[in-house]
Amino acid sequence: DTGVSQDPRHKITKRGQNVTFRCDPISEHNRLYWYRQTLGQGPEFLTYFQNEAQLEKSRLLSDRFSAERPKGSFSTLEIQRTEQGDSAMYLCASPNPAGRELFFGEGSRLTVL
Amino acid sequence: AQSVAQPEDQVNVAEGNPLTVKCTYSVSGNPYLFWYVQYPNRGLQFLLKYITGDNLVKGSYGFEAEFNKSQTSFHLKKPSALVSDSALYFCAVRDRWNFNKFYFGSGTKLNVKP
Repeated sequence: DTGVSQDPRHKITKRGQNVTFRCDPISEHNRLYWYRQTLGQGPEFLTYFQNEAQLEKSRLLSDRFSAERPKGSFSTLEIQRTEQGDSAMYLCASPNPAGRELFFGEGSRLTVL
Repeated sequence: AQSVAQPEDQVNVAEGNPLTVKCTYSVSGNPYLFWYVQYPNRGLQFLLKYITGDNLVKGSYGFEAEFNKSQTSFHLKKPSALVSDSALYFCAVRDRWNFNKFYFGSGTKLNVKP
């Protein structure tokens, strides 16, 4: 158990619907990352928070994607008007205190029909 | 451009034999290097890292990795494979000065046969 929790673990939705994923990072860690992993690929960086501030966003994060981290605790990743190409595993991560390796949650797998 | 290459999509070994999963990288400066393992429908689990010092680093579950600066490689090794080691393995690099930039390889599927 890495201490990073994600919910839901699996989500099946129809194209055009909105979905939201939640991440509860390791407590007292001020940095939080979202990654996306498609089949046969390694994780790709989506966005990063330091406390409640979203400091960096990848070009992969289209305008249909929005991430928040109110109060600098848990984070949500919302995808609006889902497309089949959004089908992937969405991973949340916290760095260790020295900021070297990342600890990942179990991921939220999205399937868009 | 920063990149990580795992040249083998799949590695097959017999249980009890040594295993090697290859990784080469192209990152400016002296990066931090990592190996992660992923089981089906699970997140990535950290195995080991190279920060500085001895080129041979030891990690979880009997895995080790050898850093070779001249060849820009960081191969994962284990002296005696177990069937339970069968999983997807990812190499990752991070710029030493920018901890927001982790780059992952595309993964290598390790199959250990009894």
